[in-house]
Amino acid sequence: QQQVKQSPQSLIVQKGGISIINCAYENTAFDYFPWYQQFPGKGPALLIAIRPDVSEKKEGRFTISFNKSAKQFSLHIMDSQPGDSATYFCAAITFTGNQFYFGTGTSLTVIP
Amino acid sequence: NAGVTQTPKFQVLKTGQSMTLQCAQDMNHEYMSWYRQDPGMGLRLIHYSVGAGITDQGEVPNGYNVSRSTTEDFPLRLLSAAPSQTSVYFCASSNLISYEQYFGPGTRLTVT
Repeated sequence: QQQVKQSPQSLIVQKGGISIINCAYENTAFDYFPWYQQFPGKGPALLIAIRPDVSEKKEGRFTISFNKSAKQFSLHIMDSQPGDSATYFCAAITFTGNQFYFGTGTSLTVIP
Repeated sequence: NAGVTQTPKFQVLKTGQSMTLQCAQDMNHEYMSWYRQDPGMGLRLIHYSVGAGITDQGEVPNGYNVSRSTTEDFPLRLLSAAPSQTSVYFCASSNLISYEQYFGPGTRLTVT
């Protein structure tokens, strides 16, 4: 059973456009929701993260929107650039359980 | 700081062979974990540890053993390799306050 469901599986966006990746969860005990960026042949790298007491967090061109009542959170990449082309994973963890659960990933391609 | 290091980068095993994937971190992180990454499946947690001498199972622990004798090292042992264990394996570490995980570069394992 997938604890964190991620969509879409792949996404193609024009340079300068907005990329949106969505995740949904069922376990209301999750305490922390990070997003990771992974380039081919590399390990994932933490991009941005949010805790459930905050509805939005912005770092540069990257924004997480968090909807606690809907149990959904999303990553928005503003002014998408070809260098943003990578696979993005959402994840969730309960601090008491110490287990990270990852979404299945979204392959983003930004076309020049 | 080297961060999280993994060896080897690539490995080919025959069915039934055993081997150990090495992982080390130099950030004094309490939390260390092993994931496998398969196409379309995201990252799945195999085992994790919240400190030296403490380990626990993740989502997909069968066929794998771990130990944590020091804060720095967290090796993953495959007891009797099977083709289903063909995957890319990532080690990660974080402290238990921020939970910001740092990933190693990965080990690509093929079992024939």
